[in-house]
Parts: sequence; structure tokens; C-alpha cells
Amino acid sequence: SQQGEEDPQALSIQEGENATMNCSYKTSINNLQWYRQNSGRGLVHLILIRSNEREKHSGRLRVTLDTSKKSSSLLITASRAADTASYFCAIQDSGSARQLTFGSGTQLTVLP
Amino acid sequence: DAGVIQSPRHEVTEMGQEVTLRCKPISGHDYLFWYRQTMMRGLELLIYFNNNVPIDDSGMPEDRFSAKMPNASFSTLKIQPSEPRDSAVYFCASSFLEETQYFGPGTRLLVL
Repeated sequence: SQQGEEDPQALSIQEGENATMNCSYKTSINNLQWYRQNSGRGLVHLILIRSNEREKHSGRLRVTLDTSKKSSSLLITASRAADTASYFCAIQDSGSARQLTFGSGTQLTVLP
Repeated sequence: DAGVIQSPRHEVTEMGQEVTLRCKPISGHDYLFWYRQTMMRGLELLIYFNNNVPIDDSGMPEDRFSAKMPNASFSTLKIQPSEPRDSAVYFCASSFLEETQYFGPGTRLLVL
């Protein structure tokens, strides 16, 4: 099955800066989701964007989707130390019911 | 709601022993997923259920792994016999209609 590939693998920024993470995938999708995982914890859903949507916002999060390029980006604005975590994109391809395929994640470190 | 509940949170066992991981999904959710997370392989879907029926177990690595869902509020993942390479964090997640998955805190398994 296809897998989302995140880029970069690791990102370190100063508090207050913006953080951008990218995800690429290979086939047709139903939707793409972003999750956050704090160290030692389970994954937490952040935002879902459907294949017919191009952009969604949720608080300081902005997600874009370009189905022609098969890519998505997650932007966290005005980052905080508490945003330090791993961020994963997850693909629900158009052929599956509820199955998600997760990428390898981006480790974000926000320095105070 | 208490969210997805997993037990135990940590398990240390010796090679060859049977290991049983437990999951209580969010009440009313009709999908349940078991994942395994390792540094080398990332987050892998092992098996998922819909209305207590296994839908796709193609991710189950070997016959040593088995999963059951006897009712809507309980599922188990069993490894028998366990091996050191089974050491990982095992997550359970549930969802209802919408595509968002809610993850439990995970069980950290160490097989010596």
C-alpha cells in the first residue's frame, strides 16, 4: 500500500517562527490527515482535508492539498515550545474503507 | 468520554511467553484498529475490525499474532510465542463513520 512521505525528517526552529512540513503520496486519495504524537504518547488527530479541498485552517494550523502534485503541507504559525512533537501525515486512499497509511513523520523541535 | 483505553501500559516478558494486549474503544465507535510502531518500520497497521468483524489482517506479521473482538467494547491482540523482534509500542485506535481515528496511549512491549 502507498505511504505518505514526510519532509523534512527533522525540523528545529525558534519559538514564534513558522514551521512547515510536507507530505507526498503516490495514488488517488479519499482524504489526507495530519496527526501529532508527543513523546511516549498516542497520536492525536489534528486536521483532515478531503481530496476535493485545497486548503483548511484550524487555529494556528493551515493545511494545503495539491492532488495534481500528490502533496500536502502543514503549516504551524507562531510556534510554541509545546508544539514540539512528531507530526505524521496519513493517507486514506480512494479504494479503502477506513484504513490509513501513515508516513514516517517529521520530528519538530521548537526552542524557547 | 475516557477515550481509547489500553492495558497494560508497559509489558516486559521473556522470549517464548504469551503476551495479551487489551483495548477498549470509545463507546459507539464501529471501527477498531491495531497498529505497531517501531523506529525502524514506523507505524504499521496490523488489523482492523468493523462492527466486531475483522476486515483486513494483511498487516499481521506472522501466525504468532492473533486478534479478537468478542464485543463492541473490547479487543485483544495476542502474541504467542513472543520474540525479541516483537518489541514495539502497540496502539489501538477507534473511529465512527468519519475518518478520524482516536488513538489510545499505547502498550510498550519489551521482549527479552
